[in-house]
Amino acid sequence: NAGVMQNPRHLVRRRGQEARLRCSPMKGHSHVYWYRQLPEEGLKFMVYLQKENIIDESGMPKERFSAEFPKEGPSILRIQQVVRGDSAAYFCASSLGQGSGGTEAFFGQGTRLTVV
Amino acid sequence: GQNIDQPTEMTATEGAIVQINCTYQTSGFNGLFWYQQHAGEAPTFLSYNVLDGLEEKGRFSSFLSRSKGYSYLLLKELQMKDSASYLCAALKAAGNKLTFGGGTRVLVKP
Repeated sequence: NAGVMQNPRHLVRRRGQEARLRCSPMKGHSHVYWYRQLPEEGLKFMVYLQKENIIDESGMPKERFSAEFPKEGPSILRIQQVVRGDSAAYFCASSLGQGSGGTEAFFGQGTRLTVV
Repeated sequence: GQNIDQPTEMTATEGAIVQINCTYQTSGFNGLFWYQQHAGEAPTFLSYNVLDGLEEKGRFSSFLSRSKGYSYLLLKELQMKDSASYLCAALKAAGNKLTFGGGTRVLVKP
């Protein structure tokens, strides 16, 4: 049973380009979280999704950032017109979700975005 | 909203004990997680407390007091490999949102 898979592991983008980060949750998990981590800092919540629904996006910047978790395929975090300040590690986590007896979240290895 | 506080950094000696405290304020609290994160790696699950009391798992123990909004992670018989960041996270029942503190960097010295 593969864990949470994120790709790419490292992504370099020039200012103004788009970044697409992918996350495949663990098998059977229908809940996905995205977090951003700046160097030497903790994890900052961005968005929480279930299949085809955004449950909580209170941590997402209002502009340029969007996330989806379609019925089929991985969850995507999209950053348009990237700026240097978007450089960070972006972690995805998945869980079985509420009411299932398993609330533990498992993390992917992260995507390290560098904007040059 | 949610507010989670933990110390930024702690230093301890190999073989010693270290206690990392975490205080939280959250409405609709549904449990407290501790994760370990080595530099450049993903966080890995250590413990989950939803009821008051102490949960022991080998060299690591975690304690929760819901009435005080307080938890701690206790690391015993410290080893060099325990040098890492330890992240406290509170789970909010409504919406199942998991919010992390800033992490405590533990440095184990010989």
